[in-house]
Amino acid sequence: EAGVAQSPRYKIIEKRQSVAFWCNPISGHATLYWYQQILGQGPKLLIQFQNNGVVDDSQLPKDRFSAERLKGVDSTLKIQPAKLEDSAVYLCASSLGQGVTEAFFGQGTRLTVV
Amino acid sequence: AQSVSQHNHHVILSEAASLELGCNYSYGGTVNLFWYVQYPGQHLQLLLKYFSGDPLVKGIKGFEAEFIKSKFSFNLRKPSVQWSDTAEYFCAVTPIYNFNKFYFGSGTKLNVKP
Repeated sequence: EAGVAQSPRYKIIEKRQSVAFWCNPISGHATLYWYQQILGQGPKLLIQFQNNGVVDDSQLPKDRFSAERLKGVDSTLKIQPAKLEDSAVYLCASSLGQGVTEAFFGQGTRLTVV
Repeated sequence: AQSVSQHNHHVILSEAASLELGCNYSYGGTVNLFWYVQYPGQHLQLLLKYFSGDPLVKGIKGFEAEFIKSKFSFNLRKPSVQWSDTAEYFCAVTPIYNFNKFYFGSGTKLNVKP
């Protein structure tokens, strides 16, 4: 079974620029997550989708971050404008979304804001 | 708010030494518990999970974990580590009312010296 695909793997941008990340979850997985992992910390949930609806975006800095999951399949996460403190690895994960299950993670996108 | 604590931030062991990594959570209700591992340059992978039943669960590569409900703990163990176990280990918790909401600890970096 194909895993969670993310692109790009690495991105370096200057502060105040914008950036977008893409995620394609495992086929058939209804739940999609975006996590932010700052160096030395565990993954922090930014947003959780169930199909194409948002379940939880309480930790998403909505003044600069946005995410969408059109058609309930792949998803994009955007940052505009970026700040230095946004430097992190952005992880996408997916799960079946029904009953007791595990989350499957992509390789992540390492963002460096200079 | 729910939280997951991993008190060992960095552990260094020699090969064949025994390993125990601590994980405590603050959620008072029923939870599902996970240990994920991230090998250098790779994505997060599931090591083992506890949903119900026998509180001693066995995972891949000789790892096991014990759920002690009274202590809100889910410690990871391995009797004899190998150099290939060098990785970062994350404990995660999902509350029973929302199987799909994962809370992660800050991670423990394990270095195994050959």
